[in-house]
Amino acid sequence: GQSLEQPSEVTAVEGAIVQINCTYQTSGFYGLSWYQQHDGGAPTFLSYNALDGLEETGRFSSFLSRSDSYGYLLLQELQMKDSASYFCAAVYGGATNKLIFGTGTLLAVQP
Amino acid sequence: EPEVTQTPSHQVTQMGQEVILRCVPISNHLYFYWYRQILGQKVEFLVSFYNNEISEKSEIFDDQFSVERPDGSNFTLKIRSTKLEDSAMYFCASSGDSRSRGNEQFFGPGTRLTVL
Repeated sequence: GQSLEQPSEVTAVEGAIVQINCTYQTSGFYGLSWYQQHDGGAPTFLSYNALDGLEETGRFSSFLSRSDSYGYLLLQELQMKDSASYFCAAVYGGATNKLIFGTGTLLAVQP
Repeated sequence: EPEVTQTPSHQVTQMGQEVILRCVPISNHLYFYWYRQILGQKVEFLVSFYNNEISEKSEIFDDQFSVERPDGSNFTLKIRSTKLEDSAMYFCASSGDSRSRGNEQFFGPGTRLTVL
């Protein structure tokens, strides 16, 4: 089957760095994306890794290792507004282009 | 900035009734999706739609569900006979060129469906 597992909750303080891990048991996907969701609203795209290695987008970086079936999202210089749920998602191609989401991590940023 | 819109924002219905959830994807997008999220859980893929037909559907998307793109702008999800377990937030999404930004999908604000 397809499964992507994440820690359910992470807590960090403002200004810190936090890493949210994603371990997966799925195959045949093109890459791994990360989405942010505030208060059950619309998920919004953050980052994508097609290849192994680190991708940096401002304060957010994402990493993928296909050999380890593992990825992570790194958030730097945490701000209160980063408090949200974060989901990794396996990206499939072809005519489907579906996303298979991970279990999600609720990040709480404290002052 | 273009966005995906969904109506209604909240739908309450009785078990066994039919509901239609409506979405207007971003106008130049080619791929359309429905996802659902039961409260406090992960986002689950329901169906993808491309070139006027379903390209893939999940196990959740059984015969009670159907999708339609009746015109050039709307994309609908119909649940023929709702069950209590259909209560969830339903998100519509769309995407353009699949090679760009890992098939970045743009999600609508969702329709919260409550089945009583």
